[in-house]
Amino acid sequence: EDQVTQSPEALRLQEGESSSLNCSYTVSGLRGLFWYRQDPGKGPEFLFTLYSAGEEKEKERLKATLTKKESFLHITAPKPEDSATYLCAVQVNQGAQKLVFGQGTRLTINP
Amino acid sequence: GAVVSQHPSWVICKSGTSVKIECRSLDFQATTMFWYRQFPKQSLMLMATSNEGSKATYEQGVEKDKFLINHASLTLSTLTVTSAHPEDSSFYICSASGASGNAETQYFGPGTRLLVL
Repeated sequence: EDQVTQSPEALRLQEGESSSLNCSYTVSGLRGLFWYRQDPGKGPEFLFTLYSAGEEKEKERLKATLTKKESFLHITAPKPEDSATYLCAVQVNQGAQKLVFGQGTRLTINP
Repeated sequence: GAVVSQHPSWVICKSGTSVKIECRSLDFQATTMFWYRQFPKQSLMLMATSNEGSKATYEQGVEKDKFLINHASLTLSTLTVTSAHPEDSSFYICSASGASGNAETQYFGPGTRLLVL
């Protein structure tokens, strides 16, 4: 069964304190790994797609990396507006374009 | 680019009534649309996948007669919750894929909060 596990469940950081969020996955065949940001009461906002091990993508203070078993979302010098839930999802090779989501990491950045 | 809208953003209804939620891709043609449900502090749960002009594919445990999905065009899908009950109260989110240059990425709408009294 395809599974996605995110850790930690929640993370509190001080403004400017860099850290990483983890997404571990077990799938039959990875088509793509997606990172989304979700603010309370809103739909997920697309951040990155990663397709193969070794791939990296950056956007402002965020950088996503991918290995054969996990992905990391690195956040550098975060600001309070980076506070949100970060969701990781995988798309498998077989069947429809379904996404399997992890439970998310609730990130809080204190000023 | 890749903007998805939902309407209404929230709805309150009486038990036994039906509620229709619209999902539109505003600046691209969505070959596939998805409907999710999200409970407080939980992740997204896929309900069904629909392709334009064909019947939706429902996930195991989702009642197709209760959650009617129509995907009549490449920019519009609707979810109708029939004979709604309090346990159907939830946050419903749609997504769409098919945007050029990133065909398999799902872009999400802002969600619809349903409260059934």
